[in-house]
Amino acid sequence: EADIYQTPRYLVIGTGKKITLECSQTMGHDKMYWYQQDPGMELHLIHYSYGVNSTEKGDLSSESTVSRIRTEHFPLTLESARPSHTSQYLCASSRQGADTQYFGPGTRLTVL
Amino acid sequence: AQSVTQPDIHITVSEGASLELRCNYSYGATPYLFWYVQSPGQGLQLLLKYFSGDTLVQGIKGFEAEFKRSQSSFNLRKPSVHWSDAAEYFCAVAGSGNTGKLIFGQGTTLQVKP
Repeated sequence: EADIYQTPRYLVIGTGKKITLECSQTMGHDKMYWYQQDPGMELHLIHYSYGVNSTEKGDLSSESTVSRIRTEHFPLTLESARPSHTSQYLCASSRQGADTQYFGPGTRLTVL
Repeated sequence: AQSVTQPDIHITVSEGASLELRCNYSYGATPYLFWYVQSPGQGLQLLLKYFSGDTLVQGIKGFEAEFKRSQSSFNLRKPSVHWSDAAEYFCAVAGSGNTGKLIFGQGTTLQVKP
């Protein structure tokens, strides 16, 4: 069973606020990913990391930023949230290589 | 470019009936293929995956999928659907290189009638 955690699960905030979505995994996986998913739609990769101090932008452009200071932790930050950021954000991790990705439960973000 | 198509946006089946969810992919080399399930408000759970070898893959919860290279398909099947199978199902292919990036289809919503 995969152990990957996301907090908060739900977040409702006002426009202009700075937010950080937390993602942690206890499996020692080197690779971590952030996906954005609108209701009823597919997942789009917005950020990924190969390991500590490695971050890359994904296929979908995003105004968010990420950091990877520790292997187990991959937080996502929005400096100034806008209603267009309203979505579900899913974090995942995997071992090196094209391996199975394990997903967290997601954070559903609503920006008013 | 790699892509995944799930032709059926929404499928309704009766409990106990058989199920097949379609998935077609576009990829230049031998693909790594996955099926995930997502219950409302939850993350994704891996049902099964194909990397190589036997083209009929068994997964959890009684699901199986068959890789057909000639048809670029990886359809998901279950012989008898249970009400708890109602969820969103996503097919995915691992992108080129060794990045591990997944490309997802847009998903199929399964509704199960009693």
